[in-house]
Amino acid sequence: AQKVTQAQTEISVVEKEDVTLDCVYETRDTTYYLFWYKQPPSGELVFLIRRNSFDEQNEISGRYSWNFQKSTSSFNFTITASQVVDSAVYFCALRLISGAGSYQLTFGKGTKLSVIP
Amino acid sequence: EPEVTQTPSHQVTQMGQEVILRCVPISNHLYFYWYRQILGQKVEFLVSFYNNEISEKSEIFDDQFSVERPDGSNFTLKIRSTKLEDSAMYFCASRATSGSGGEQYFGPGTRLTVT
Repeated sequence: AQKVTQAQTEISVVEKEDVTLDCVYETRDTTYYLFWYKQPPSGELVFLIRRNSFDEQNEISGRYSWNFQKSTSSFNFTITASQVVDSAVYFCALRLISGAGSYQLTFGKGTKLSVIP
Repeated sequence: EPEVTQTPSHQVTQMGQEVILRCVPISNHLYFYWYRQILGQKVEFLVSFYNNEISEKSEIFDDQFSVERPDGSNFTLKIRSTKLEDSAMYFCASRATSGSGGEQYFGPGTRLTVT
């Protein structure tokens, strides 16, 4: 079975500070996808990124960056120069690539980020 | 851009009543999912549906739950006799391919409140 752990339940930062959200995962499979989703107060799930287990290159998209380290089973998410609009709950998730399952997502418990103006 | 839609956005029902949550997946998608999120908690997998049958379900998905694709467009989740603990946000998702690839696209969710 897969498991995703987001140890930080809540984080508060002051606007313009950088913040890193941690994600650690467990799986016996060698091929999988990792995801980050944002859930604003309105409740919908907004897809942010998907990474393949074969690809450990870090990725940057504007103020967002992701650090994938297979050696430590971590997929951390950094927001640079945080803004009030970044306030949301952020979920890390995993799903397998191989096997005969239905490839459902396994989510972490989420980290609530509050950015204070 | 095509999207998954869900209706209603918010449903209030009394304990013991039946509810049907509706989803319209993206039209050429083959895999359909329901997830549940109890307030303040993580998103949990309920069930997946492929080729007109359940392909996988979690232990949450007990006999009071059922899913159906009654026509070519809708995908429904029925809760036969609601309990207070069924109060949650229910997300529908769909995926294009039958293999391991393809992205899951989530709908906006239906907030179910059982009183």
